[in-house]
This record gives sequence, C-alpha cells and structure tokens, in this order.
Amino acid sequence: GQQVMQIPQYQHVQEGEDFTTYCNSSTTLSNIQWYKQRPGGHPVFLIQLVKSGEVKKQKRLTFQFGEAKKNSSLHITATQTTDVGTYFCQLYNQGGKLIFGQGTELSVKP
Amino acid sequence: GAVVSQHPSRVICKSGTSVKIECRSLDFQATTMFWYRQFPKQSLMLMATSNEGSKATYEQGVEKDKFLINHASLTLSTLTVTSAHPEDSSFYICSALGGSSYNSPLHFGNGTRLTVT
Repeated sequence: GQQVMQIPQYQHVQEGEDFTTYCNSSTTLSNIQWYKQRPGGHPVFLIQLVKSGEVKKQKRLTFQFGEAKKNSSLHITATQTTDVGTYFCQLYNQGGKLIFGQGTELSVKP
Repeated sequence: GAVVSQHPSRVICKSGTSVKIECRSLDFQATTMFWYRQFPKQSLMLMATSNEGSKATYEQGVEKDKFLINHASLTLSTLTVTSAHPEDSSFYICSALGGSSYNSPLHFGNGTRLTVT
C-alpha cells in the first residue's frame, strides 16, 4: 500500500532560524495539501500543490512539490514564535483514501 | 472562507453514557465529511467518511456500532460515541470537503475534547 513519511517528527529552533518539513510518498500523487495545527487547536488549511515542480509562497512560507510529484516540502524562513504548531501534509492514495502525514511539531525559542 | 462548526468543544461524561458530537458546515454544503480521532502529540487518525444520505464508511478497526455516524443533511454530520469508556477519551475532530471533488481542501471543526470518567 501507499506509504507516506513526514520528517522530522520534531524540530526545535531559535527564533529567526529557518525550518523545513518534508513529506515523501511511495507513489505519485495527484495533489498534496499542507495544514497547520496550533497547540490545542484544529488543523487549518495552508496550501494545495498540484503541478509537478510547483513552488508557492505565502509570506515567509515556501511550499514545493517535487518534479516526480512524490515529495513535498514546507520551508519557513526566519521563524517567529507565531509559527509554533504541528504541520501536516495530506494526500489521497490511489484508492482515494485520505491520508495525513505523521506531522512535524515545531517549537520556537524566543 | 468556509467555516465548520463543531459542538461541543469539551464534554465530560460518565462511563456507560453516550455522547453526541455535531459538525456543521455553516456557509457551504458538505456532501462529504470526515471524522478523526487524535491522541496527544500524534497525527489525525481517520475514523470514518460520512456521506450525506448514505451509510458512513468506517476505517479498519473502528467499531461502527460504537461510533455511530449520521449525515442527514448537506450541512450536518453527527458522531455519537455510545456506551463511552475511559479509553474513548480523546480529541475528536471533523472536517468537510470544501468542494465537490477530492481535490478540494479540508475545512476542520474546532474539535471536541471528550473525557470519560
């Protein structure tokens, strides 16, 4: 079956440092979504990537979809304490089943 | 943007009782809604897919008689935890597809923290 691996599981950074989380699939994806969940909150949709090699930016956040559409990344430049939370990738497997990555928990030390 | 309202946000119940959780799409119609369970520091575990007007599709290992899902309208899905036990204590979240296709983003409710004593 389809495997999805999101790494790292945890990332602790000093405020101002960069952060990246990666999501890797064993099969080619039609699209991938990214969500952010603040501590005690619910996931909030950030972005959807559809095209091979796509790069999208939202202020300090950069999202990439690999050329083979098997991997994706979320990069935050110069983290701030407001970036704290868990970032999840989400995709659908070939059977149409909804799958979430394991999540990357980001903590930012001021 | 699309808003999903989930109620209640917190509930404490005694072992053996049933708890109903509501998930409403406020400004859009949601043909498909999803129910998840989330343990601390873990990812979302999909429990079931709820389709309006039909029976829910449960994930492997999820007891359909214990977690009753009803999706009676295009804006409301409910999850009832029947005969709750302490091991059912968890954070339950619903989400709705923002459009008609599986390419649509998911919009999440605020979640319900269930504590069974």
